[in-house]
Amino acid sequence: SQQGEEDPQALSIQEGENATMNCSYKTSINNLQWYRQNSGRGLVHLILIRSNEREKHSGRLRVTLDTSKKSSSLLITASRAADTASYFCATGSGGSNYKLTFGKGTLLTVNP
Amino acid sequence: DSGVTQTPKHLITATGQRVTLRCSPRSGDLSVYWYQQSLDQGLQFLIQYYNGEERAKGNILERFSAQQFPDLHSELNLSSLELGDSALYFCASSTSSGGATGEQFFGPGTRLTVL
Repeated sequence: SQQGEEDPQALSIQEGENATMNCSYKTSINNLQWYRQNSGRGLVHLILIRSNEREKHSGRLRVTLDTSKKSSSLLITASRAADTASYFCATGSGGSNYKLTFGKGTLLTVNP
Repeated sequence: DSGVTQTPKHLITATGQRVTLRCSPRSGDLSVYWYQQSLDQGLQFLIQYYNGEERAKGNILERFSAQQFPDLHSELNLSSLELGDSALYFCASSTSSGGATGEQFFGPGTRLTVL
């Protein structure tokens, strides 16, 4: 079963605009990660936020985590056509039986 | 390029057959993970190996098995294939295991088509 659920399922914006994607999850986590996937290709790690962190930045990416609401958001600022891809949140949980559980993703289309 | 390699890139086979997918992790990574991605199920974790030992198991069918060899490469064996096994199979690697695991590096995937 999916742990993370992204919202929206699809998002279409113009170049230069900001894109916000949300992720909700159900159980306690060690960390939450965001990955990007270009069509039919491997996933690329974007950013990891630990359960005791609230916000993290990396370049044009900003991730927030609210463990009380079991939710996270990924903000991409000043989007570019090259940002067009699917974005997945993945929750890491478990101790020795640690697993990454992926949501179904948000398909972001950035129009030039 | 993540440094994780997978072969073959594409595989077309018939129902009932058996196939082997191969993965070489990034140099120095001890953990290997296998995932299945399909349109209806999304990205599903199958199994993890750490330094040759099975560490975590996900939604892996009994018809599927995996192993990690002393040189740390891994193979995923899929047998008695069904149409529903058609999917993208990804391998990923990371340096550590357990709760300390962070970023995973994904290979380009093997696209399996079962006819």
